[in-house]
Amino acid sequence: NAGVTQTPKFQVLKTGQSMTLQCAQDMNHNSMYWYRQDPGMGLRLIYYSASEGTTDKGEVPNGYNVSRLNKREFSLRLESAAPSQTSVYFCASRRTGTVNTGELFFGEGSRLTVL
Amino acid sequence: LAKTTQPISMDSYEGQEVNITCSHNNIATNDYITWYQQFPSQGPRFIIQGYKTKVTNEVASLFIPADRKSSTLSLPRVSLSDTAVYYCLVGDLPNQAGTALIFGKGTTLSVSS
Repeated sequence: NAGVTQTPKFQVLKTGQSMTLQCAQDMNHNSMYWYRQDPGMGLRLIYYSASEGTTDKGEVPNGYNVSRLNKREFSLRLESAAPSQTSVYFCASRRTGTVNTGELFFGEGSRLTVL
Repeated sequence: LAKTTQPISMDSYEGQEVNITCSHNNIATNDYITWYQQFPSQGPRFIIQGYKTKVTNEVASLFIPADRKSSTLSLPRVSLSDTAVYYCLVGDLPNQAGTALIFGKGTTLSVSS
């Protein structure tokens, strides 16, 4: 049971380059989230998707785009990377309704460095 | 989600009981109280969730007074491995799908020997 899988785990980019972080979950969850966490800081919500076909901005969406490709996959794209986007990125998913806690399940994180 | 307030940091020694309090004065009727734990270089993981009174599992206990304006996460006999950041979230997590789940700064617990 893989849970939430993020790729790549590590990436180094130069300023201005673009890249996509991939996230997939195999738990049939309807909601998915992207967070970033800077060193010594808390988690900040970038974008989220309540269900397939919908996406919404979080606290810090500038410089990012997302795609909810299907129920399993939610990707995060940096069109023109900046050093300020150096961070650890976490993807998470959760199920709601039908007697459950609605808890978030997180991936292992993707560590991005922008030079 | 309702706004929450937690202490920024706490220190403890191995074997002690640790209580972390979260204030949530604007909690709504349908809101649950959920706690997460985050180790360095890992994503947060669910610890416990409650609605009222007391909830206990194999990891922790959660105490919620009658007015529900605060809650206390209790970790019995902590060990070095309990050193982590603890987050309190308040919202109707079990039922609300389209919710922007925003984490606060959390409480950094440091356990020493």
